[in-house]
Amino acid sequence: NAGVTQTPKFQVLKTGQSMTLQCAQDMNHNSMYWYRQDPGMGLRLIYYSASEGTTDKGEVPNGYNVSRLNKREFSLRLESAAPSQTSVYFCASNFGRGRVTGELFFGEGSRLTVL
Amino acid sequence: KNQVEQSPQSLIILEGKNCTLQCNYTVSPFSNLRWYKQDTGRGPVSLTIMTFSENTKSNGRYTATLDADTKQSSLHITASQLSDSASYICVVSVPTGTASKLTFGTGTRLQVTL
Repeated sequence: NAGVTQTPKFQVLKTGQSMTLQCAQDMNHNSMYWYRQDPGMGLRLIYYSASEGTTDKGEVPNGYNVSRLNKREFSLRLESAAPSQTSVYFCASNFGRGRVTGELFFGEGSRLTVL
Repeated sequence: KNQVEQSPQSLIILEGKNCTLQCNYTVSPFSNLRWYKQDTGRGPVSLTIMTFSENTKSNGRYTATLDADTKQSSLHITASQLSDSASYICVVSVPTGTASKLTFGTGTRLQVTL
């Protein structure tokens, strides 16, 4: 059982480049989330999807877009990367629809550096 | 000021010793309080989830306590092992309409040494 799988694990971009982080879960969860983790700060929510076909902004959505491709997959896109987006990104999933019900499962993280 | 404050920021203990990590929060009302373990370079993994009506919950050598009146929680680790070296994150969940807002603490970094 793979759980939550994120790709890529590491990426280096130049300012202005674009890229997409991929996330897939195999637990038949309804909700999926994208967080960023920065030194000295708690994880912050970028976007979430309470169910297939819906997405909502989180705490820090500026500079990002998301797509809930199907129930399994939730991608995060940086259209024009900025150094401030250097961070570790975590995808997470949960069985609840919107409300976090029970455990929130995290992927292993994607470390992004923007030069 | 973060609404979920953890202390200490870091801690070094000898293998076999016990330790207690603290979490104070100001968010309310809350649905539940969670503790996660995050190994270096890995994603957070859930240790315990407590509702406001629960005082204590255990997961092996990990025991979490909650005092909803004082808005404090603690995570006690018994007979520490080298594999306990990690960051421990306290998370408070607040209901917001049809969703939940999770507020994460900045974590306590624990190092267990020989």
